[in-house]
Amino acid sequence: QSVLTQPPSVSGAPGQRVTISCTGSSSNIGAGFDVHWYQQLPGTAPKLLIYGNTNRPSGVPDRFSGSKSGTSASLAITGLQAEDEADYYCQSFDSSLSGRWVFGGGTKLTVL
Amino acid sequence: QVRLVESGGGLVKPGGSLRLSCAASRFTFSDYYMTWIRQAPGKGLQWVAHIDDSGEYIYYADSVKGRFTISRDNAKTSLSLLMESLRADDTAMYYCARSPAGPEYYATPEPFDLWGQGTLVTVSS
Repeated sequence: QSVLTQPPSVSGAPGQRVTISCTGSSSNIGAGFDVHWYQQLPGTAPKLLIYGNTNRPSGVPDRFSGSKSGTSASLAITGLQAEDEADYYCQSFDSSLSGRWVFGGGTKLTVL
Repeated sequence: QVRLVESGGGLVKPGGSLRLSCAASRFTFSDYYMTWIRQAPGKGLQWVAHIDDSGEYIYYADSVKGRFTISRDNAKTSLSLLMESLRADDTAMYYCARSPAGPEYYATPEPFDLWGQGTLVTVSS
């Protein structure tokens, strides 16, 4: 099981808004470490989508936004498009002895 | 363009060895930490090994500690992962990824902002 917990799947119709949660603990997100989000389109490598909890790299549409509170973070996608269908992963750092760079288990977004 | 290209994957028997390589191009390789991240078929991402910009500090996931060795050659702008005593559960796509050594994104940790296309390792008899 992953150190960060994400829902296995979410879905929404085109134009709708969806959110993906990422729940951690006091040794990672709750310890103040930042959360990043990656988008993995089918058959491709992951791509940085959101960094530092809320920031978008250049080229990422403003339909994508991130937030963080306490031991959790969220990714929101508004104006859902067919091309958004992908797997989404959150990532942070864990200060426990056996942890280091940690990922969520991934969430499959289906555009209905 | 700026990119990372992995190579060296393939089919290997349990107990065997394999060396993966990651070639970096069009960026200052020595300004970045480098990390190997793997993804088992149909599964999520798992951090495997990490090396700092100078090669002085190295970290391994518990699942590969003592079996895998990460190294880098800044002069050749390349990263390697020597995998020994391979097991079936090491079967995965292996990605190399970079993260800035400096405060480029002002985040802790800095994100993996560039990934290679991956190389597939299959451990099977």
